[in-house]
Amino acid sequence: DVKVTQSSRYLVKRTGEKVFLECVQDMDHENMFWYRQDPGLGLRLIYFSYDVKMKEKGDIPEGYSVSREKKERFSLILESASTNQTSMYLCASSLTTDYGYTFGSGTRLTVV
Amino acid sequence: DAKTTQPPSMDCAEGRAANLPCNHSTISGNEYVYWYRQIHSQGPQYIIHGLKNNETNEMASLIITEDRKSSTLILPHATLRDTAVYYCIVSPQGGSEKLVFGKGTKLTVNP
Repeated sequence: DVKVTQSSRYLVKRTGEKVFLECVQDMDHENMFWYRQDPGLGLRLIYFSYDVKMKEKGDIPEGYSVSREKKERFSLILESASTNQTSMYLCASSLTTDYGYTFGSGTRLTVV
Repeated sequence: DAKTTQPPSMDCAEGRAANLPCNHSTISGNEYVYWYRQIHSQGPQYIIHGLKNNETNEMASLIITEDRKSSTLILPHATLRDTAVYYCIVSPQGGSEKLVFGKGTKLTVNP
């Protein structure tokens, strides 16, 4: 089975810190995605990537950046964390939508 | 914005079939219907997808109406572990298309 591993299950960071959320997939998927999920707002797409060194903005990219230096790894970066970035962050990957997306277990980030 | 409409919640008795409806009246000819579910505190899980024919796999069946404006996900024998939020999504097939999640249906399977 494809595995998408997110480095941390829970994180607590201070306002203004630079935060790195790491995501690794083990099935050579081209496509990787970062979503955040908030109560009442559902899942919203932050950034996605079709290939190494390629990135595309999703619906809510403000305050975030991403890095994809290797095919298997897609990092989400909060340049200067703020309290409104407290959320559940979900990473996903896909080869084609024939098999759907595979999601990681999520990182619950709290910014204090 | 999500292009689908789902009831916010449904209940089902354990062992009975759960039928989850979804309306997608503006679906385009090249768009597929995808179903995912999210069990509490986990990432969403892919269930099934289809274009116009009915589909079945080990998890569920997908029934798409002939005009493709609506579909139904069927869990034939619901268990307590099927309690989750179920998302119906329309998207072109191709692997690089981003999925837009709506609010989904919270299915509660009762003992």
